[in-house]
Amino acid sequence: KQEVTQIPAALSVPEGENLVLNCSFTDSAIYNLQWFRQDPGKGLTSLLLIQSSQREQTSGRLNASLDKSSGRSTLYIAASQPGDSATYLCAVGGDSGGSNYKLTFGKGTLLTVNP
Amino acid sequence: DGGITQSPKYLFRKEGQNVTLSCEQNLNHDAMYWYRQDPGQGLRLIYYSQIVNDFQKGDIAEGYSVSREKKESFPLTVTSAQKNPTAFYLCASSRGLTSQGNQPQHFGDGTRLSIL
Repeated sequence: KQEVTQIPAALSVPEGENLVLNCSFTDSAIYNLQWFRQDPGKGLTSLLLIQSSQREQTSGRLNASLDKSSGRSTLYIAASQPGDSATYLCAVGGDSGGSNYKLTFGKGTLLTVNP
Repeated sequence: DGGITQSPKYLFRKEGQNVTLSCEQNLNHDAMYWYRQDPGQGLRLIYYSQIVNDFQKGDIAEGYSVSREKKESFPLTVTSAQKNPTAFYLCASSRGLTSQGNQPQHFGDGTRLSIL
């Protein structure tokens, strides 16, 4: 059974700092890994998707990396801003059971960027 | 704008009552999903549908039912058999399935269900 862990559970940083969020998964037989952002009381916004054959994806100040063999992904946020404050969720697509539809989610990292 | 619309935003259920949550998408996506989110837990899959008139149970389908009569619509009914329905419900869609590798899931803004 695929399990996804996100560390830390919460992170508070001053504005302008670069930061890294971590995601680990137990089953390396994945199709992809997706990072989402969730604002309070809202749905999820897709930030980046990394296919299993890729090592990283970039969008603006965000960079996500994937090391499938070690079961790890990181989300790097450069020059953080107060508007980046949200919960960041990691979701892994697929497992050794051959599920062709399933995303397994971590519990998220609550990020607070202080002005 | 293309997107996923969930309604209502807030919903209250009385004991013994069935309630239906609406999910509509205009992204022309084939696959649709329903998730449940509880505090301190990751999202859990309730049902998913790959195509019109087909749907499959997810990890926590007991006490829920769905239909997929139109490509754009995937309503979720929370039945009286669901004993702990209080949660945040999220609908998602994707062009294809996860196994295709490059198919991100897109989410609506959710419906918060509470018990009266």
